[in-house]
Amino acid sequence: DAGITQSPRHKVTETGTPVTLRCHQTENHRYMYWYRQDPGHGLRLIHYSYGVKDTDKGEVSDGYSVSRSKTEDFLLTLESATSSQTSVYFCAISELGLVAGNEQFFGPGTRLTVL
Amino acid sequence: AQSVTQLDSHVSVSEGTPVLLRCNYSSSYSPSLFWYVQHPNKGLQLLLKYTSAATLVKGINGFEAEFKKSETSFHLTKPSAHMSDAAEYFCVVSESYKLSFGAGTTVTVRA
Repeated sequence: DAGITQSPRHKVTETGTPVTLRCHQTENHRYMYWYRQDPGHGLRLIHYSYGVKDTDKGEVSDGYSVSRSKTEDFLLTLESATSSQTSVYFCAISELGLVAGNEQFFGPGTRLTVL
Repeated sequence: AQSVTQLDSHVSVSEGTPVLLRCNYSSSYSPSLFWYVQHPNKGLQLLLKYTSAATLVKGINGFEAEFKKSETSFHLTKPSAHMSDAAEYFCVVSESYKLSFGAGTTVTVRA
């Protein structure tokens, strides 16, 4: 298994509170991604990073921000959590990134519930 | 723009019988295609991938998929289902760094 950990694995929070999820990798891969998984939607890309301090938006980025100060860590922040952000969040990494066919390796996921 | 349609949201098979999971894609270019599997409360694991080499791709755990450009399909098959195959399966298309996921197919295996 690729060395990817996510923390916390489960979190329950209240509407309006800030939340930060952490993804940590030991593979030294350049590219990191945050997805959310919702029933009937598969996985949807929130944000991705192509290097330290280099990030860009995915298809569902509203309400989320990210930071990457080190190669191994990629943080996802919900500035003010809403119930619509209740989901399972997956981090992924890839070595080559901007190449078709380059597979991504996924972390175990974080289940977030916003009450 | 790329997209993926998984034609069955749920498939139920008996142990020892074949499994077929159907996937159609749309892509502006020559895509790369993947199948991932997700067991309950687990992350996603790559089963196999197609990247314009052989059209019949073999993956892990006895799965294989055939790329058919004329039909824009990438169906996943296994000759004999095992109880451990019960999981959710995702068909994924990639034109660059970005992956586009299908909605998923849940496989149930009956003893």
